[in-house]
Amino acid sequence: DIQMTQATSFLSTSLGDHVTINCRSNKDINKYLAWVQQKPGKAPRMLIHFASTLLPGVPAKLEGSGSGTDFSLTVRNMESQDIAMYYCLQYSEQYTFGAGTKLELK
Amino acid sequence: QVTLKESGPGMLQPSKTLSLTCSFSGFSLSTSGMVVSWIRQPSGKSLEWLAAIDWDGDKYYNPSLKSRLTVSKDTSNTQVFLKITSVDTADTATYYCARRRSPGTSFDYWGQGVMVTVSS
Repeated sequence: DIQMTQATSFLSTSLGDHVTINCRSNKDINKYLAWVQQKPGKAPRMLIHFASTLLPGVPAKLEGSGSGTDFSLTVRNMESQDIAMYYCLQYSEQYTFGAGTKLELK
Repeated sequence: QVTLKESGPGMLQPSKTLSLTCSFSGFSLSTSGMVVSWIRQPSGKSLEWLAAIDWDGDKYYNPSLKSRLTVSKDTSNTQVFLKITSVDTADTATYYCARRRSPGTSFDYWGQGVMVTVSS
């Protein structure tokens, strides 16, 4: 089984900051990595797939990078609408989600 | 416009079988490459992929739950179903269905989710 690790559970940030969320897999997954955003009480929303491809409607202030086993999601110029839980998801072999990283305001 | 919507019993007793329905529109599951998956999320926890069915009728299951899961679709390709047998309190969660449009991509559309509570 492929395991996905998001070592940071919470990230405190300020409006206007740039913040990076990291995700690691225990096996090479090429670029079959997606990032999912979830706000309280809402369904998840896919932001990025294939490690760095933004889905339609996702603002360019979000940037995904990485390949193999190490990936990151950068949110530039933090706004209140970016406050959410972020999960990474591998889809190289079936599907596995990370535990999530919660972006909070200081 | 692509939409998916889950429906289920809301609450059921331990040891019973949970039956869920995903009704969707705006796409056809008979389109090559299309897949509908079931994913669940216990309150306050992460997401867990459960099962999927593709355009060709092939079925895929989470190995840790495979013995209890059955995914199927209707002949009109507008609904996907999931059955989970022998439920217990650990199956209490919000259940989502989600669409994958083509290989190499992931879940681009999700339903709103349906909450299921297992309790005696």
